Amino acid sequence: AQSVTQLGSHVSVSEGALVLLRCNYSSSVPPYLFWYVQYPNQGLQLLLKYTSAATLVKGINGFEAEFKKSETSFHLTKPSAHMSDAAEYFCAVSPDDKIIFGKGTRLHILP
Amino acid sequence: NAGVTQTPKFRVLKTGQSMTLLCAQDMNHEYMYWYRQDPGMGLRLIHYSVGEGTTAKGEVPDGYNVSRLKKQNFLLGLESAAPSQTSVYFCASSSRRQGGNTEAFFGQGTRLTVV
Repeated sequence: AQSVTQLGSHVSVSEGALVLLRCNYSSSVPPYLFWYVQYPNQGLQLLLKYTSAATLVKGINGFEAEFKKSETSFHLTKPSAHMSDAAEYFCAVSPDDKIIFGKGTRLHILP
Repeated sequence: NAGVTQTPKFRVLKTGQSMTLLCAQDMNHEYMYWYRQDPGMGLRLIHYSVGEGTTAKGEVPDGYNVSRLKKQNFLLGLESAAPSQTSVYFCASSSRRQGGNTEAFFGQGTRLTVV
């Protein structure tokens, strides 16, 4: 079965520093991939999605992700962290009619 | 511009009681999903539906039933609640994929506690 693995359940970065959240997927074909963000006591909101039109995908709030087929990865980055980025981030894959989520990475921003 | 609406937002049940969670979407989406979210486990798919009158099992379907009698509604039922079903439940919907990548839109969640 297809799945995604998020490395690190918690990541801490200083305000202004680079944010890197890792996601690897298991798939024999290029999958449909997503990153979602969840703020406290809220539902999930789409950050970005892979569309196969470009390997570098830009999302909301300055986030972007790069699809690397050779590494089966879809890591999420942001050049400069802001306090408002503190949230939980989920990578997801949609191999068929389902959408399967990773276990999430909670991002902490240090002042 | 409601999107996906879940009812209720909070509920406390006693072990053995039954209840139904309602999910309604106004985006004319074909696909609907029920997930549960537990600390450290991410979101796990309970059941999903690819259209009115259809349902299918996800990763953790045991103890739950669903119905999709109307396209806009997706009901999740617990026939005999157990403490292990204490969780936050999310409903989501998406349009049918037609050669492209379609994302899911989420409700605000239902926090269920079974005592």
